[in-house]
Amino acid sequence: AQTVTQSQPEMSVQEAETVTLSCTYDTSESDYYLFWYKQPPSRQMILVIRQEAYKQQNATENRFSVNFQKAAKSFSLKISDSQLGDAAMYFCAYIGGSQGNLIFGKGTKLSVKP
Amino acid sequence: ETGVTQSPTHLIKTRGQQVTLRCSSQSGHNTVSWYQQALGQGPQFIFQYYREEENGRGNFPPRFSGLQFPNYSSELNVNALELDDSALYLCASSLAAGTAYEQYFGPGTRLTVT
Repeated sequence: AQTVTQSQPEMSVQEAETVTLSCTYDTSESDYYLFWYKQPPSRQMILVIRQEAYKQQNATENRFSVNFQKAAKSFSLKISDSQLGDAAMYFCAYIGGSQGNLIFGKGTKLSVKP
Repeated sequence: ETGVTQSPTHLIKTRGQQVTLRCSSQSGHNTVSWYQQALGQGPQFIFQYYREEENGRGNFPPRFSGLQFPNYSSELNVNALELDDSALYLCASSLAAGTAYEQYFGPGTRLTVT
């Protein structure tokens, strides 16, 4: 069965600094997608970034980028120039194979200090 | 374009009662997935509906049931409520079933069972 593990329950970063959130996953599938979602206190799950497993190039969205290591089954999120609005729960998620559902990690709570 | 909406926002029920949660999918989307997010956890997949048919189910008992209507809106029904059913219930819609289609989340319904 596929699993997603986030080993950092909480992280903290100074405003304008860079922080990296870790995620590892386990799958025997060759075709899959990985995501980072942000969930602020408003509860709305917002897609931050998406990575297709067949693409070697790491995805980037403005201040957000990933380090996708397929062989190591690692998928970390780097947030550059952190802003107060980045404070939220961040979830790593996987979808792949014949399954149409997302599998989520337990999340990392990110705090941003002014 | 209207996003995914859910109703009600909050709900308090007593153990043993039944509850119905509602989700309106984003315009043009024919697939709805439901997730349960317990406090401090990542969302867990309940089931998915594609064109009014159940298209996959997670590890939830039969007292969790659902429907999808011709306009692709959906209901989640939970019978014989238990205290552990207290959670945030999220629905997500997508253009179609399958791993390549991004899931767009609604704001969730917070269910409290006393």
